[in-house]
Amino acid sequence: EVQLVQSGAEVKKPGESLKISCKNFGYSFTTYWIGWVRQMPGKGLEWMGIIYPGDSDTRYSPSFQGQVTISADKSIGTAYLQWSSLKASDTAMYYCVRRYSWDAFDVWGQGTMVTVSS
Amino acid sequence: QSVLTQPPSVSGAPGQRVTMSCTGSNSNIGAGNGVHWYKQVPGTAPKLLIYDNSNRPPGVPDRFSGSRSGTSASLAITGLQAEDEADYYCQSYDSRLSGPYVFGTGTKVTVL
Repeated sequence: EVQLVQSGAEVKKPGESLKISCKNFGYSFTTYWIGWVRQMPGKGLEWMGIIYPGDSDTRYSPSFQGQVTISADKSIGTAYLQWSSLKASDTAMYYCVRRYSWDAFDVWGQGTMVTVSS
Repeated sequence: QSVLTQPPSVSGAPGQRVTMSCTGSNSNIGAGNGVHWYKQVPGTAPKLLIYDNSNRPPGVPDRFSGSRSGTSASLAITGLQAEDEADYYCQSYDSRLSGPYVFGTGTKVTVL
């Protein structure tokens, strides 16, 4: 079965760093783009950025450029989203997604809840 | 700030037909880029419902249909059922943006 399995919920303090993960199962990791989507509490979906694990080509939404870093380790089939200094406004659910044909996202991870609070 | 606008809510009685719109511009929907729809039941991850304007992935009932015209797209649900109560989001590609994927503002469907 094709799946994306994300790391567990995190509770962090402002200023701390964080790296969350998304591991693929059931398909060739290097042949599909993997993206990240933010959903703040009670709000809609926001596209953050995307990476092609085959060559690590990465694109960011202007809203998230410089705020997060997206990476991938193709040897273990895992994509990452990381912050160097978290803010309270980073509190949200984060989903990884697989980009399908026609630029749709056909596989979604279960989500990782990140809570940033002092 | 989303570039795709959806009505905040729509509602209908069981068995009825409801529709929701997704309004974009000439740099996304109007440029011929595909529109995709997702259903999100509260507390769960979104699920792809319609891709490339009107195509259903395997397992999606034919009660769900999508269309595109000009700079807008729409999703219709016929024979509304209780399990259709959820949030629905459109998504497309915007050729004007360097980070090119955009989601709609989302529509809450309530089954009366």
